[in-house]
Amino acid sequence: AQKITQTQPGMFVQEKEAVTLDCTYDTSDQSYGLFWYKQPSSGEMIFLIYQGSYDEQNATEGRYSLNFQKARKSANLVISASQLGDSAMYFCAMRGPVYNFNKFYFGSGTKLNVKP
Amino acid sequence: NAGVTQTPKFQVLKTGQSMTLQCAQDMNHEYMSWYRQDPGMGLRLIHYSVGAGITDQGEVPNGYNVSRSTTEDFPLRLLSAAPSQTSVYFCASSTRLAFFPDTQYFGPGTRLTVL
Repeated sequence: AQKITQTQPGMFVQEKEAVTLDCTYDTSDQSYGLFWYKQPSSGEMIFLIYQGSYDEQNATEGRYSLNFQKARKSANLVISASQLGDSAMYFCAMRGPVYNFNKFYFGSGTKLNVKP
Repeated sequence: NAGVTQTPKFQVLKTGQSMTLQCAQDMNHEYMSWYRQDPGMGLRLIHYSVGAGITDQGEVPNGYNVSRSTTEDFPLRLLSAAPSQTSVYFCASSTRLAFFPDTQYFGPGTRLTVL
């Protein structure tokens, strides 16, 4: 099975500073998709950003960017200028490779706390 | 446009009871899926469907059944509830681009407790 690893169970960041949330993945395939989701304390899952394995440019969506290093199999989420509302759980996920592309795999998450 | 809706929001069952978690989407998405979220483990895929009449197993399918008779609805049935099925259940849907499911959009979740 594919594996997603998020090694930071919890992180603190000062408001207005940037923070990087780590995600590594394990696959032998060349074609896959990587996603980040935010889960606030209210419980809903909110899509943040997507990176395809063949995309040459790192994905960006507003204050979110994805630092994609294919050779290292890492897809770190960078949040610039943190806000108090960014306090939440963050999940990295991967859509499976070509032979398994209907399946998604999630990491265990990182709990981010933004301090005022 | 309600997106993905799930009912009920909360449910308490006794061991051995059966029930159906409802999921509906109004975005005409082909792909729908069910996940369970347990503390410290992220989301794990239970079952998924790529269209009406087509379903397949995910990572943790045992104890659950699904069917997809319409594009809009994708119910999840617990056949005989067990305490190990206590979890938060999420339904999600997405379009498909060149046969690949695209970004998934999630429902609000159902919190299930099995006593």
